[in-house]
Amino acid sequence: GQNIDQPTEMTATEGAIVQINCTYQTSGFNGLFWYQQHAGEAPTFLSYNVLDGLEEKGRFSSFLSRSKGYSYLLLKELQMKDSASYLCAVIIKGANNLFFGTGTRLTVIP
Amino acid sequence: DAGVTQSPTHLIKTRGQQVTLRCSPISGHKSVSWYQQVLGQGPQFIFQYYEKEERGRGNFPDRFSARQFPNYSSELNVNALLLGDSALYLCASSFQTGTGYGYTFGSGTRLTVV
Repeated sequence: GQNIDQPTEMTATEGAIVQINCTYQTSGFNGLFWYQQHAGEAPTFLSYNVLDGLEEKGRFSSFLSRSKGYSYLLLKELQMKDSASYLCAVIIKGANNLFFGTGTRLTVIP
Repeated sequence: DAGVTQSPTHLIKTRGQQVTLRCSPISGHKSVSWYQQVLGQGPQFIFQYYEKEERGRGNFPDRFSARQFPNYSSELNVNALLLGDSALYLCASSFQTGTGYGYTFGSGTRLTVV
């Protein structure tokens, strides 16, 4: 089976930087996704990493190390609206679905 | 452009009843996937359909079934409802299958079983 771990909850201050980690153990890894989900809403796509390295998109960046089975999502200049759950998901070769972690609930405080 | 639409948005059912959830994908998307998200957990894969054929099935009992219609919309059926079926049911559409890229999720149907 696939095992994806991320912290359950994190708290950070408005304007600060926060890093949300995700470790995975899968067979046939083929890519990693990060989604943002506000309470009661649909998950929305943030990033997709296939190769090792850092992908930057505005205030959000995502990093992947395939050899270590590790990824992180970096959020800069935190805003109150960034309070949400952040879901790490992997796709494996031969599968047509995403395997999600439990999600990290981020609370941004003033 | 309309996004992925799901209906109904909320539903309350009694144990033992049956429920049908509906999903309309983004225009041009041929693949529809269903996920169950229990409160405080990540989404769990239930089914994927592509071009009206089942392309994947998660670890759910036979009480769960689905189908895709010629217009690519989809229905998820759950029979003999249990309290544990209470969850947010998410539908995701994509143009193709197998990559995971290009998934767009609907806002979900919140099912409560009492």
